Amino acid sequence: DQQVKQNSPSLSVQEGRISILNCDYTNSMFDYFLWYKKYPAEGPTFLISISSIKDKNEDGRFTVFLNKSAKHLSLHIVPSQPGDSAVYFCAPYTSGTYKYIFGTGTRLKVLA
Amino acid sequence: GEEVAQTPKHLVRGEGQKAKLYCAPIKGHSYVFWYQQVLKNEFKFLISFQNENVFDETGMPKERFSAKCLPNSPCSLEIQATKLEDSAVYFCASSHWVGEQPQHFGDGTRLSIL
Repeated sequence: DQQVKQNSPSLSVQEGRISILNCDYTNSMFDYFLWYKKYPAEGPTFLISISSIKDKNEDGRFTVFLNKSAKHLSLHIVPSQPGDSAVYFCAPYTSGTYKYIFGTGTRLKVLA
Repeated sequence: GEEVAQTPKHLVRGEGQKAKLYCAPIKGHSYVFWYQQVLKNEFKFLISFQNENVFDETGMPKERFSAKCLPNSPCSLEIQATKLEDSAVYFCASSHWVGEQPQHFGDGTRLSIL
């Protein structure tokens, strides 16, 4: 029972263009959504988050959009840089629990 | 410290042997989480702690897996009678709070069961 799906296992984007990573979920109880970036042989690092009471959060080149009715969120990276090449995970959280459910991940490759 | 420290980086065990992994959370962080990454991308939640108290252990295979976070000691994850399917990278994360508060991850321990 996969509650969080990132349907694109991989994505290639040209440097300078926009990268859009998607995440779909089934559990309507999620009320925080975090994005992490992971390089090989390292642990994930936090990128950006959004609360379910918002529909957009922006931090520099990174913007996350949340569509609660569609149970869908997306991460936009503009402009994409080669250093952004990594695996990206969305990780929702439900208040009152003490666990995050990680998505299946999307491998982003930014081509120079 | 300012980083989550996981030891060892790599652990090799024969099937049926015991494996013990350690995690030193960031100083001041009350919450500790363990995850298992079996396939390259799939993270499975195992257990969470607030200080030394278990908060959620719904991801733990209870027969063989156990975990502790004791005061003034690194947290530990122990697997008894290891099986081939336990081969994975085990990540530990800590945070000051939960919710929108990000977790800080260690670099993982790669467990290889032969």
